[in-house]
This record gives sequence, C-alpha cells and structure tokens, in this order.
Amino acid sequence: EPEVTQTPSHQVTQMGQEVILRCVPISNHLYFYWYRQILGQKVEFLVSFYNNEISEKSEIFDDQFSVERPDGSNFTLKIRSTKLEDSAMYFCASNSDRGYEQYFGPGTRLTVT
Amino acid sequence: KQEVTQIPAALSVPEGENLVLNCSFTDSAIYNLQWFRQDPGKGLTSLLLIQSSQREQTSGRLNASLDKSSGRSTLYIAASQPGDSATYLCAVDPGTASKLTFGTGTRLQVTL
Repeated sequence: EPEVTQTPSHQVTQMGQEVILRCVPISNHLYFYWYRQILGQKVEFLVSFYNNEISEKSEIFDDQFSVERPDGSNFTLKIRSTKLEDSAMYFCASNSDRGYEQYFGPGTRLTVT
Repeated sequence: KQEVTQIPAALSVPEGENLVLNCSFTDSAIYNLQWFRQDPGKGLTSLLLIQSSQREQTSGRLNASLDKSSGRSTLYIAASQPGDSATYLCAVDPGTASKLTFGTGTRLQVTL
C-alpha cells in the first residue's frame, strides 16, 4: 500500500542552524502539507502546497520557514535559523484532492539544543 | 476561528467493552471530519473520514457519526482490545484549503 515517507526520523541541531526535513508523498497525490506537534500539544497546520506554490500558511509559518518540491517526488520543509521552540515532531501529509483523506508520514522529530 | 475539543482526555476500559469518544467543533462550516490514531512517538494513522453530507461511516469495529449542525462527532469502538490502546484524534477540514484543525485527543488504554 502506498505510504508517505519522511527522513530523517530524528534530527538534532544547534540553535541558529538550518535544517531541511524531507518527505516523499504518495506518488499520484497533488496536495501536500506540513504539520507540527510540540510535545504534549495539538497537531498544528503549518502550510499547504499545490501546483508548485503555497496554497495557505499559518501564522507559525514565518519567514524562517520555506517549502519546496525540488523534483517530482520530494517535498521539503526548510527552517533557516532554528530556535529552541522549533523542537517538535514534524509531519508531512498528502492527498489526491482538496477535501479528500489526508495521509500522514511517520514524522521527523526535531530537537534544537 | 475553528476550535476542536475532545472529551474525555483519557479513558481506561477493560478489554471487550464498547466505548464512545467525543469530538466537538465550534464552526459547523466543515467539508469533512477525519479520525486518526496515534501511537506514542509515532505518526498519524487515518481511521475514518466522514464527508459533511454523511451521517455515519464504518470500518470494521469502528463507527464514526457526524452531526454537523450541532458540531459533534463520535467514534464508537466495539469490543475493545488491548491493541486499540493509543491516542485518538479528530480533525476537521474546511475544504477551501484542506488545512486540518485537530482536537487535543483522547488517550485510550484497554486493559486485560
């Protein structure tokens, strides 16, 4: 069964460093998303992406964040200068159309020290 | 702004019991509602999706209902098993941008 994959599973970085989180959505899906979950808190929407551009972003998704689909399979989230409060589990998701079931990847645990 | 609440926050039941998890949302203008399961430290597994035009959706021992006008959904789990132990999340989708708004989750423990 097709699934969303994410790498790495765990990333430790120092404050101020840049990180890139990678996702491979399900192959025939057209809509891509990033969410995050700070430990013990709700899953929060960050950004949605369609047709090579951002569809919507939350107030969390400031200038430190960017997304890219560098080729036909990968979808990346970049954090330019990480802060301690960026420590969270980051989930990638995809679906075939708006309003359809979203499929989530296993997540990348980001720890900023 | 959409707010999603789940009650109870935690629930412990003996194996074999039927149980109901509740989800409420403040803005009834939703396109669909999705229930997920999350195991500790893991990703989200989609369980059921109910479109706003539907009232129920079933998958195996799971049955989800939706009352859009009152802003409520329930997830019914029949004949619970220890393997059902996990956190259950509901999320609503407004449709326009498909950004899911999640509830706080119900942590379920099914004991032997």
